[in-house]
Amino acid sequence: GEDVEQSLFLSVREGDSSVINCTYTDSSSTYLYWYKQEPGAGLQLLTYIFSNMDMKQDQRLTVLLNKKDKHLSLRIADTQTGDSAIYFCAETTGGFKTIFGAGTRLFVKA
Amino acid sequence: NAGVTQTPKFQVLKTGQSMTLQCAQDMNHNSMYWYRQDPGMGLRLIYYSASEGTTDKGEVPNGYNVSRLNKREFSLRLESAAPSQTSVYFCASSGAREETQYFGPGTRLLVL
Repeated sequence: GEDVEQSLFLSVREGDSSVINCTYTDSSSTYLYWYKQEPGAGLQLLTYIFSNMDMKQDQRLTVLLNKKDKHLSLRIADTQTGDSAIYFCAETTGGFKTIFGAGTRLFVKA
Repeated sequence: NAGVTQTPKFQVLKTGQSMTLQCAQDMNHNSMYWYRQDPGMGLRLIYYSASEGTTDKGEVPNGYNVSRLNKREFSLRLESAAPSQTSVYFCASSGAREETQYFGPGTRLLVL
């Protein structure tokens, strides 16, 4: 069945770049998303990419999609302490079903 | 424009008690969803409502019921709470299928 996998933890120093990786299994995915969850809050959409795109850039965020390897990554440039959160990768395969990864907890050290 | 709101924020139940989690959205979205979030497992879809008047099961519907009261409101009911239902529950809405989902702040439920 469909599955989305991500590493559980990432630790970076303030000012460095962060790269969070995700792999998915369903090749019919239409949209792929990155959500951010801060402590005690709901999920907030950061960015998304259509499955027919390879890259999307939005200020400090760069999303790369490798459809052949079913690999999605989120790069955060100049990571700040305010970027500390859990980041969820998700895919929509059509219909109303969105599959979420377990989330990557990003720690930013000052 | 409040987006998606959920009540209550926190709840403690005893095993066997019932309760209803409320969700409302003011974005005129057609579709609404209920998820549960457990540590290390991401979000799992409990039920969704594609449009007013329709509801469908998601990945983990057992032990839950839902009501799409009108276009704005979508409630989740636990008829007889069990400790396995201890979780954080999120409501979300979207304009249509495959579109971005907007999430509420969550309801933290503890079943003793």
